[in-house]
Amino acid sequence: DTEVTQTPKHLVMGMTNKKSLKCEQHMGHRAMYWYKQKAKKPPELMFVYSYEKLSINESVPSRFSPECPNSSLLNLHLHALQPEDSALYLCASSQGRSTNEKLFFGSGTQLSVL
Amino acid sequence: QKEVEQNSGPLSVPEGAIASLNCTYSDRGSQSFFWYRQYSGKSPELIMFIYSNGDKEDGRFTAQLNKASQYVSLLIRDSQPSDSATYLCAANTNAGKSTFGDGTTLTVKP
Repeated sequence: DTEVTQTPKHLVMGMTNKKSLKCEQHMGHRAMYWYKQKAKKPPELMFVYSYEKLSINESVPSRFSPECPNSSLLNLHLHALQPEDSALYLCASSQGRSTNEKLFFGSGTQLSVL
Repeated sequence: QKEVEQNSGPLSVPEGAIASLNCTYSDRGSQSFFWYRQYSGKSPELIMFIYSNGDKEDGRFTAQLNKASQYVSLLIRDSQPSDSATYLCAANTNAGKSTFGDGTTLTVKP
C-alpha cells in the first residue's frame, strides 16, 4: 500500500463550525505533515509530526489543531475558521525526517469556509 | 529573496520537444532536491529526486544539480501532452523541511 488517504475530499463549513480532517497511511512512515495550498501557489508547511510527536509548527493560528493518535493517523481539527482559510489541505508522509526524505501526498481536502 | 526560485513560466513547448525547467536555491545547507508534478486540481506527485552533483536520468526525465551554482534543473525529453502540469521544485534543509518554489506551469501542445 503506497497511498496516503485523506477524508473528506471536499468540506464546506461555516465560521462557527467545528470539523476535522483525517489522514491515514500504511507505509510504515514515521513522519507526517499538514500543508495548506492556495490556488496557483506552492504548498505551505503547517505542521510536522515525527514519531507521533509534534516537531514543527509553522506559527499556525490556534484555530487549526493537529493530532497524531498513532503512527498511521493524522488529524487536523478546525474551529472558528475564517473565509481566508479556504484552501486545499494536503497531508503527506515520509519514512523519517532525514534530509533525503521524499514526500508522499494524499489527494487533499478542498475546504471552503463560508 | 525567496529560498527556492523557479523560472516564472508559463512554459509552452511542442509535442516531442525538450522542456527545460530551472530552479535556484539560496540556502547552502540544502542537501536534497526534488521535483514534484501537480496536475490541475490534484496533489503533488514526486517524479525525480537528486542528492549529488551531476545528472540523474529516469526514463524521459533528467535532473541536474550544481551545488556550487545552487542550481537544479529538470529536463523532459520527447514531451507529451500528458506532461502538461505545474512542476514544483523543492529543497530539503538539514532541519528536514521541504521548501517549495512557486512552480512552473508547462503546456505541451500537440
